[in-house]
Amino acid sequence: ETTLTQSPAFMSATPGDTVNISCKASQDIDDDVNWYQQKPGQAATFIILEATTLVPGISPRFTGSGYGTDFTLTINNIESEDAAYYFCLQHDSIPWTFGQGTKVEIK
Amino acid sequence: QVQLQESGPGLVKPWETLFLTCTVSGGSISPYYWSWIRQPPGKGLQWIGYIFYSGSTDYNPSFKSRVTISVDTSKNQFSLRLSSVTAADTAVYYCVRVVRRSSGWYGFDYWGRGTLVTVSS
Repeated sequence: ETTLTQSPAFMSATPGDTVNISCKASQDIDDDVNWYQQKPGQAATFIILEATTLVPGISPRFTGSGYGTDFTLTINNIESEDAAYYFCLQHDSIPWTFGQGTKVEIK
Repeated sequence: QVQLQESGPGLVKPWETLFLTCTVSGGSISPYYWSWIRQPPGKGLQWIGYIFYSGSTDYNPSFKSRVTISVDTSKNQFSLRLSSVTAADTAVYYCVRVVRRSSGWYGFDYWGRGTLVTVSS
């Protein structure tokens, strides 16, 4: 089973900041990582596919990078609406597994 | 826009069976794969298993002996049955649509909002 270690667990940012969320895999998983955003009481939103591909309709302020074992979600010029819980998913091998998640707060 | 809605009891007694249903609207349950995922309080997400609209399934080994996922295409629904529950099964349960292409699996694209199930006497 592939373990995903996501960090940090919590971060506080000021509007306009650039924030980075890390997701490290316990083994090589190519680019088989997705990123999701979830706001309280809402369904999760699919934001990044295959480590780097922005899902249609998602703000280009979100970018994904990485390959193999190290992956990063970057939120550029962060806005108040970006306050949410973010998590990574690996779909390289079953059982599919998730990072522990990052709560992003906007000051 | 595809929407998923989980439904079922919010409270289940220890050692009984948890049963949840996911209703898909805004699209057909076929020809897709569907999954259940859960998140215990204060913990990360955990994939439980998937079902194809035709009925074929695969499960996380952590649940294999206790879980059954079924589908009812006539109602555009799929369901989760988890037996012999304990307090450790207390979680928010989500239903999701799986992205499957000829080249492989690509995660999940649509999620329900989740439903909290508490296991307690």
